[in-house]
Amino acid sequence: GNSVTQMEGPVTLSEEAFLTINCTYTATGYPSLFWYVQYPGEGLQLLLKATKADDKGSNKGFEATYRKETTSFHLEKGSVQVSDSAVYFCALSALTTSGTYKYIFGTGTRLKVLA
Amino acid sequence: DADVTQTPRNRITKTGKRIMLECSQTKGHDRMYWYRQDPGLGLRLIYYSFDVKDINKGEISDGYSVSRQAQAKFSLSLESAIPNQTALYFCATSGDPGQGTGELFFGEGSRLTVL
Repeated sequence: GNSVTQMEGPVTLSEEAFLTINCTYTATGYPSLFWYVQYPGEGLQLLLKATKADDKGSNKGFEATYRKETTSFHLEKGSVQVSDSAVYFCALSALTTSGTYKYIFGTGTRLKVLA
Repeated sequence: DADVTQTPRNRITKTGKRIMLECSQTKGHDRMYWYRQDPGLGLRLIYYSFDVKDINKGEISDGYSVSRQAQAKFSLSLESAIPNQTALYFCATSGDPGQGTGELFFGEGSRLTVL
């Protein structure tokens, strides 16, 4: 079945450090891939997305590339800020055998950025 | 105003009580979802609805029921709350993934504590 595996946190970095949060997936067919971010006390919101192999999603300095050969969608940012402290979820949307689309979420990775 | 609104935002109740969580959206989407978030488990789907006459169970529907009162309204009920239903609950909406990325739009969450 479809699944998403992301690195466990928490991840603690100093401001301006480089960030990588690993995400790998298993899916039949050609899923769309997403990163969602959850700031404290808020709901999840879309950070970036990619819908086909080799697509790069980017937003707010974050990037992730859809790598079909390694079934990965790692999140990166060159220089994190304290305001990036949040929980990050990797997710996929894939067509099921019943003809509907199903979302699968990873367990989330908490990022804490220290000033 | 938020695109997806959940009420109440916080609720403390006792074992055996009936609880209803309400969700309304202004996105004009047909698809609505209820998720549960627990630490270390990510988001798990409780129920989903693709239109007013369509209700489907998710992966953890036992102990829950839903009602789709209108395109914009989707409520979740716990008929007899138990302590292991203590969690953060999210409502979400989406367009048709087959016609786009199917991004999920989340409410801010309803934190439920069952004593």
